[in-house]
This record gives sequence, structure tokens and C-alpha cells, in this order.
Amino acid sequence: DGGITQSPKYLFRKEGQNVTLSCEQNLNHDAMYWYRQDPGQGLRLIYYSQIVNDFQKGDIAEGYSVSREKKESFPLTVTSAQKNPTAFYLCASSLARGLAASSSYNEQFFGPGTRLTVL
Amino acid sequence: AQSVTQLDSHVSVSEGTPVLLRCNYSSSYSPSLFWYVQHPNKGLQLLLKYTSAATLVKGINGFEAEFKKSETSFHLTKPSAHMSDAAEYFCVVRGPYTGGFKTIFGAGTRLFVKA
Repeated sequence: DGGITQSPKYLFRKEGQNVTLSCEQNLNHDAMYWYRQDPGQGLRLIYYSQIVNDFQKGDIAEGYSVSREKKESFPLTVTSAQKNPTAFYLCASSLARGLAASSSYNEQFFGPGTRLTVL
Repeated sequence: AQSVTQLDSHVSVSEGTPVLLRCNYSSSYSPSLFWYVQHPNKGLQLLLKYTSAATLVKGINGFEAEFKKSETSFHLTKPSAHMSDAAEYFCVVRGPYTGGFKTIFGAGTRLFVKA
């Protein structure tokens, strides 16, 4: 089955600790995204990557880092610099066909999410 | 600039009655529009998308949405609610942005279905 997997499902972090959230996809999608979801708010973009070895900051990148060494994988590290990391984190992927208008039609496919709690 | 507004944070309906979840958008260009559903502690699942082919879009689980350019709306409807429809729904707009495309999520509408 093709899809996106995220692990772990639940993660607990102590103050001052870095933690890494895993995201893997076997959909052969070029683009991958990380979102943060807080209660009563829509999704906010943390980082995205349209191609291997390249990634861009989203709207709330401070305190986070990513890497894209393989097409299938886009791990997110929540660093100690992120002051309020408790949230639900969602990874997504989509086809990326450059700047053609049809690229806007490509929906994003989402993983099941990781709930991060700071103790 | 693009934006999306979901007009209701909560909607409550009785099982078997119609569902209406409202979404208005703003975009300088003809955008693509999507509706996603999220059940508790789960990822988002695509319900339907508008890509300029037809203004009335049919999705999964009996949902549909109509694109109305004059009203800049993309409301989600279903003729008869089922208990399993209780979830959070997100309206999403995607359109051109510097160097590519930008995807903007609405704040979400939580649908409650009463027996």
C-alpha cells in the first residue's frame, strides 16, 4: 500500500531536549511538508521541500530543522530553541510539477500525525 | 494575496439532516480549492477538490461542494448527515505565490452529529 507513515505516534520531551520526528512516504512524491496543528487553529507550515537536498522555511520555522537526504524521507527535529513545542505535527507530500498551472491541482497526502508533549 | 475563511467554528446537526459547512476565499488568481476531513488524532483525508473543470464537485462519502466565483465561496454540503461524519473539516486554497504555489488552510469547522 502506498502512503505516508509518521513515527512515533506519541512523543514526550523534556525541557531542553532535541527530538526528531520521522516521516516516510512511498508515493514517489517530490514535495514534502511539515505542519504544526494547535487546538482551534488551522495547519501552519513549518518547512517544505520540493526536491532532494533542498528545503525552504515555512511560516513558523524558528526552533525547527529538517533534512531531505532521500526522496522518501523528511525528518523534522524540534530543537530546544522552540519555546512551545507541544502540538500535533503532520507530515504531508504531493506531486510537484514545477510552476505549471496544473501543479496547483496537486492535493497533499497526509500522514497520521505525531503528538508531541513537553514534560 | 490569498486567504480562506471558514465561517463557523462549530456546526451541530441531527443525524439524517443536511450538512452545510461554509468557506469563503480570497485570491488574486483562479485558485484550486480543497476540502479535507480530520478525525480525532488522525491525519487529514481529502474529501474533494476544485480544479476549474466543473463548478459542482462531488467527493467521497456523499459530500459535494460548489465553486461560486461571484460569491468567492466553496461551501461543503451533504444531504443527510451520518454519525460517522462527526469530525473537523478544513477548507484549503492553493494558488500562485512567489516562486511557486502557496497552500493556506482555514481554521477548521468542527461538525457534531446528534443521534
